[in-house]
Amino acid sequence: QVQLVESGGGVVQPGKSLRLSCEASGFTFSIYAMHWVRQAPGKGLEWVAGISFDGGDKDSAESVKGRFTISRDNSKNTLYLQMNSLRAEDTAVYYCAKDFSSSGNYYFDYWGQGTLVTVSS
Amino acid sequence: QSVLTQPPSASGTPGQRVTISCSGSSSNIGSNTVSWYQQLPGTAPKLLIYSSHQRPSGVPDRFSVSKSGTSASLAISGLQSEDEADYYCAAWDDSLNGWVFGGGTKLTVL
Repeated sequence: QVQLVESGGGVVQPGKSLRLSCEASGFTFSIYAMHWVRQAPGKGLEWVAGISFDGGDKDSAESVKGRFTISRDNSKNTLYLQMNSLRAEDTAVYYCAKDFSSSGNYYFDYWGQGTLVTVSS
Repeated sequence: QSVLTQPPSASGTPGQRVTISCSGSSSNIGSNTVSWYQQLPGTAPKLLIYSSHQRPSGVPDRFSVSKSGTSASLAISGLQSEDEADYYCAAWDDSLNGWVFGGGTKLTVL
């Protein structure tokens, strides 16, 4: 069965960096696009970034452009999110989500359990 | 402010039919597939339904969707207590070159 396991969350000071990981299993990771979606406490879902099956195409939300970078290592079945210059408003649960397609614009068919990132001094 | 507009809340009694709307624009709902996600309290979201009638295995046919122009709706018939959750619509946006979500609708089963 498909499993997505996020890790790397924690408490970090404003302006610092953090890298999230998402280990995938139960499907052929290298042929599907992947995404990060976040949810601030008590708020709705917000798409953060997406990456195509081979990493050749990446997109991100305006709110994180220039600060967050999505990447993947298909040899390790792992998705990453490098988060720099973190702000208080980045505090959220970060979910890893699998796309139905290889390009990344179809729908999210599987989600991880999420990892909490808290940005606070 | 979310790009897709959903009512913040909806409610119904067991057995009733409830609909949740999702309003967007020509660059998202008007030209791309709309998907819906269910988030039970304290859990991660899960795919509920996509396209016009495609449901993942395990999702009952009490859930259905419709789409007209730049709006979509999720209908839940034969409402059950376990349907109490937050529901989100989502679509790819060609202008933003990214995904957009609705603000979410909290469904209460009275």
